[in-house]
This record gives sequence, structure tokens and C-alpha cells, in this order.
Amino acid sequence: GDSVTQMEGPVTLSEEAFLTINCTYTATGYPSLFWYVQYPGEGLQLLLKATKADDKGSNKGFEATYRKETTSFHLEKGSVQVSDSAVYFCALSGGAGGTSYGKLTFGQGTILTVHP
Amino acid sequence: DGGITQSPKYLFRKEGQNVTLSCEQNLNHDAMYWYRQDPGQGLRLIYYSQIVNDFQKGDIAEGYSVSREKKESFPLTVTSAQKNPTAFYLCAGRGRGENTEAFFGQGTRLTVV
Repeated sequence: GDSVTQMEGPVTLSEEAFLTINCTYTATGYPSLFWYVQYPGEGLQLLLKATKADDKGSNKGFEATYRKETTSFHLEKGSVQVSDSAVYFCALSGGAGGTSYGKLTFGQGTILTVHP
Repeated sequence: DGGITQSPKYLFRKEGQNVTLSCEQNLNHDAMYWYRQDPGQGLRLIYYSQIVNDFQKGDIAEGYSVSREKKESFPLTVTSAQKNPTAFYLCAGRGRGENTEAFFGQGTRLTVV
């Protein structure tokens, strides 16, 4: 079945450092890929998405490119801020066609802490 | 306000009791989902529903049950058969299409006492 694997956390950075959070996936077909963010005590909210190979999703300085050849969707940001401290989740949808239509699968999440 | 509303925010249950978590949406979403969140394990899918009166098991459905009698509502019952129910539960809704965004509620923290 579909699966998503994220890099182990937690990740701790200083403000203005470069961020990469790795995400790889296993799926048949052509899934849509997402990054969600969760702030303490809250539900998840969409950060960005990409729906086909080579698409780049971007939002609030974050970027991720859908790489079908490496089955990856790594999240990057050039200069993190303290306010970016949160848990980040990679997710996929629609990988297995009709048998898993609508199923939305998440990775285990990566905790990011940014220090001033 | 529009969105996904979960209630209650905190819930305590005695061992051996069933308990129902509420999830309501006014976004006219066709699909609704229940996830369980445990530290270090991310979000694991319990059940999901694409249409009224139909739902599918997710990856960890044992010990849980759901119903989808109305488009707006997707309650989750945690039964006494669920051996380790203490967790944070998240409900989500999504429109049609595999590339659509999911909207999440604020979650319910269930504790067995």
C-alpha cells in the first residue's frame, strides 16, 4: 500500500539557517503530494502541495519539488524564523488508484525547533 | 464560522466504556477522515468516508467504529475493544479529487483513567 517516510527528528536550527526536511514515498500510479504544518495544540493546516511530477509547491518561503524519479518531495526553506517552529507532515493522496481512492496517507512528522 | 468542528476538546473515559467523538463540518465536503496521533508515530488513518452511508477502514480500524448518516457529520466511537485508546484524535474533511486540500479540526484528546 501507500506509505510516506520522513527524516527522523527533531530538527533544531538557529534563526536564518537553511532547512531541509526529507520526504520519500511509495505509491503506485501518480499521487498528489502535500506538506502540512501543525502548531502546538492545534490541527494540521496545508503548507503547500504538488499534483504532478516536476511541479514545485511554494508558500511562506517554503518550497518542495515533486520528483518522481526519486519518489521524493523534500521540504526546504532558505532562512527559518522562530515562528516556523512546529511539526511538519508529508502526505500523499491517490497513489493506488481505485482501490485507495480518496485515502490520505501521512508520514510520521518532523519536529522543528528554531532558536533565536 | 466555517470549518471542521470537533468536540469535546478533552475527554476522559473509564476502562471498559465506549465513548463517541463528534466531528461536524459546514464546508460541504464529500470526504471525511479520522486520524489518531501518537508521539513519534505521526497520523494514522482510522476510517474515512467518501459519501454518505459509506465508509472504509483505514490502517488501524480495530476497536473503532464510525457512521456517516449525514454529509455534515462523521462521529467516531472508541469501543472497549480498543486496547490503548489514550491519544489525540483528529478529524478532517476534503472536497472531491485527489489533489484537494484537507481541512482539520482542532482535535480531541482522549485519556483513559
